[in-house]
Amino acid sequence: EPEVTQTPSHQVTQMGQEVILRCVPISNHLYFYWYRQILGQKVEFLVSFYNNEISEKSEIFDDQFSVERPDGSNFTLKIRSTKLEDSAMYFCARLRDRGSPLHFGNGTRLTVT
Amino acid sequence: ELKVEQNPLFLSMQEGKNYTIYCNYSTTSDRLYWYRQDPGKSLESLFVLLSNGAVKQEGRLMASLDTKARLSTLHITAAVHDLSATYFCAVDISGSRLTFGEGTQLTVNP
Repeated sequence: EPEVTQTPSHQVTQMGQEVILRCVPISNHLYFYWYRQILGQKVEFLVSFYNNEISEKSEIFDDQFSVERPDGSNFTLKIRSTKLEDSAMYFCARLRDRGSPLHFGNGTRLTVT
Repeated sequence: ELKVEQNPLFLSMQEGKNYTIYCNYSTTSDRLYWYRQDPGKSLESLFVLLSNGAVKQEGRLMASLDTKARLSTLHITAAVHDLSATYFCAVDISGSRLTFGEGTQLTVNP
């Protein structure tokens, strides 16, 4: 059973549109992350979220990106105005404690046309 | 800036053979992770290495960590087709983010 559920599994959008990617962790943990993987490339850190606040973000995570946990359960990544280069697989991950591995969700494949 | 380098990036091997994937990183860390990714799928955790000299084994895979050399290895013993996948190492230096290597695409041929 997956520990992190992501929706949708695939999203196609036009350049300039806003998208919201959702993540629902089954367990009630405090540490959440978003990573992305452009097709065939390595996995890149976007942002970490702890106790309902951003704790660290990468240079990729510019003003077009935002994260929130609006209802204490869902964890969302919003891209305000998508660009072609935002096309990638986006993974949500959660961490139980520092001695444990990150558990990744199944990912959302975002295609920007 | 932390750099994590894997080699080789592509590895084609025959069933039954042994091989080692190397992961070098540029900044001191004592936390290193190995993940497996099948095509179009998510990342599956294989090993967590948390101290110098740590060695973990699961089936035909064995991972080790040398923090002094800033090197981790993933050794494959008597490879089988089911091990075909992309393997990533990832290093944690801040406690809040992982930096991944480029991945090693392994193909095991019958």
